[in-house]
Amino acid sequence: QKEVEQNSGPLSVPEGAIASLNCTYSDRVSQSFFWYRQYSGKSPELIMSIYSNGDKEDGRFTAQLNKASQYVSLLIRDSQPSDSATYLCAVTPLGYSTLTFGKGTMLLVSP
Amino acid sequence: GAVVSQHPSRVICKSGTSVKIECRSLDFQATTMFWYRQFPKKSLMLMATSNEGSKATYEQGVEKDKFLINHASLTLSTLTVTSAHPEDSSFYICSAGGQGSYSNQPQHFGDGTRLSIL
Repeated sequence: QKEVEQNSGPLSVPEGAIASLNCTYSDRVSQSFFWYRQYSGKSPELIMSIYSNGDKEDGRFTAQLNKASQYVSLLIRDSQPSDSATYLCAVTPLGYSTLTFGKGTMLLVSP
Repeated sequence: GAVVSQHPSRVICKSGTSVKIECRSLDFQATTMFWYRQFPKKSLMLMATSNEGSKATYEQGVEKDKFLINHASLTLSTLTVTSAHPEDSSFYICSAGGQGSYSNQPQHFGDGTRLSIL
């Protein structure tokens, strides 16, 4: 059974700090990896995608992928209170196929 | 970027009513759309995969006669909750993109529909 595991949190960090969110997955054939942000009462919003080992940076966000360890992470630099949300990790085996979601990690950034 | 439009955003209706939710991909063609359901403080649950021009694929435990899906065009999928009851009250979210999309877009989500059955 395909599984995507995330620590449910909450992960609490002070404003300006680096928030580190982690995700592990069980299906070795997974090829595409996504991070979505979901504010309370809202739908998920795609913030990062990563397909190959290594780091991918976009503004304050950096996604890191290690396929050998079946691990993907999201770093948020200079965390802001507006970053407080639930972050969902999602994986898919074939390009852009059906996603398997983790249960999400709640991030709380305190002013 | 890719935009998915979902309508209506909120529905409040009496038990026994059927409710239709529309999901449109606005700037790309999506042969595949997905319908999710989310209860408060719970994770997303995939209900079904909507395929343009063919029958939807439902996840285990989801009643296809209860949740009717129609994907009549490359930009529109609809979910109809038939004879809705209070236990159907939930947050329904569609997404478009994924395999089969002409532009191979990652999945983007609509804004969701909050359904409340009295």
